[in-house]
Amino acid sequence: GAVVSQHPSRVICKSGTSVKIECRSLDFQATTMFWYRQFPKQSLMLMATSNEGSKATYEQGVEKDKFLINHASLTLSTLTVTSAHPEDSSFYICSARQDEYYGYTFGSGTRLTVV
Amino acid sequence: AQKVTQAQTEISVVEKEDVTLDCVYETRDTTYYLFWYKQPPSGELVFLIRRNSFDEQNEISGRYSWNFQKSTSSFNFTITASQVVDSAVYFCALSDFGTGANNLFFGTGTRLTVIP
Repeated sequence: GAVVSQHPSRVICKSGTSVKIECRSLDFQATTMFWYRQFPKQSLMLMATSNEGSKATYEQGVEKDKFLINHASLTLSTLTVTSAHPEDSSFYICSARQDEYYGYTFGSGTRLTVV
Repeated sequence: AQKVTQAQTEISVVEKEDVTLDCVYETRDTTYYLFWYKQPPSGELVFLIRRNSFDEQNEISGRYSWNFQKSTSSFNFTITASQVVDSAVYFCALSDFGTGANNLFFGTGTRLTVIP
């Protein structure tokens, strides 16, 4: 079945530094990838949608300069949290969608802690 | 606009009891998909089921069953003979063609605790 690999699973960084999270579709081509953010005991909130080779579409309220998304190939999308602050601490999870099969495959998530 | 409502925030049941998780959705589209996902404490999302809007047949998969009723815009999920391993947060989600990107809209989730 479709597999999405997300790395790292956990990361602790210092305030002011940047962190990159990778999301790879291992056995299919994902023309569209989604990035979600989940605060403790809350639902998943869509941050942005990225299509291969084009700029990401950000949801209202999500700072595009802070959360840089790159979808350079059909199998890789990255989310970079720039100048991270403690309030950016959260669980980030990506999802990839296959066009030929209307399904969504999720990565295992990244727990980011900014200290 | 799309909306998914999971009115039950937390449910606790004793092992072997049956439990139903409710999901009510709103969409203007006639073509849409409904999903259920399980999120165990480790955090990953486990796909359980996908249903398209034209298929109202109920589905059973082992101890899991789903009741899709378009008349009430509901897509409820029942676990029969619950087990401790069923303890998790369960999300209902909707995807339609309204936004063009076919995003998934999640409900707020129901935290299920199965007590041994």
